[in-house]
Amino acid sequence: QLQLEESGGGVVQPGGSLRLSCLTSGFTFHSYGMHWVRQAPGKGLEWVAFIWADESHMYYVDSVKGRFTISRDNSKKTLYLQLNNLRVEDTAVYYCVGDPPQSGYAFAIWGQGTMVNVSS
Amino acid sequence: QSVLTQPPSASGTPGQRVTISCSGGTSNIGRHAVNWYQQVPGTAPKFLMNNNNQRSSGVPDRFSDSSSGTSASLAINGLQSEDEAHYYCAAWDDRLNAVVFGGGTKVTVL
Repeated sequence: QLQLEESGGGVVQPGGSLRLSCLTSGFTFHSYGMHWVRQAPGKGLEWVAFIWADESHMYYVDSVKGRFTISRDNSKKTLYLQLNNLRVEDTAVYYCVGDPPQSGYAFAIWGQGTMVNVSS
Repeated sequence: QSVLTQPPSASGTPGQRVTISCSGGTSNIGRHAVNWYQQVPGTAPKFLMNNNNQRSSGVPDRFSDSSSGTSASLAINGLQSEDEAHYYCAAWDDRLNAVVFGGGTKVTVL
């Protein structure tokens, strides 16, 4: 059974940091591109970051460049997102997403999300 | 302001056909697959299909997609109450080096 389980969300003050984790099972993690997608309360979906299956390339939405870092540990089948210098506008549910090989960035597998609330 | 443009809402009565448009540009829809997602309120999004002939298992045949140039569309034939959800289009964008989403379309079954 395909599973993505996010953790690490919570309430943090502006300027603070969090590290999100996504433990996966049920698919060949090391061959999938992996993404983080977020959704602010009552808003649409926003892509945040992407890491290639072999960890050789990472991409970010402009608003998080220099503050967020995506990484993965293929031996642990786990995806991470380090969030630094958090802003109120980073408040959102953060989804871990799996992108199968040669799928054209089809986000085929979604986790249930973890909430990040940036508030003073 | 989203890079991909979708209408904010669409509606129909049970059995009707509803179409959702997604307009982009040459750096995204013009070059890459357009992926469609369904999100029922309170749940995580779900992949429906894309114009690379990939389709999630269990997606009813009444859902179909098409694309031409820098635009794409998702059609729901024979609308049913369980189709009430938000629908998003997305594609890779070569100019931004990013995945871009449409703003989402809320489909209401009247």
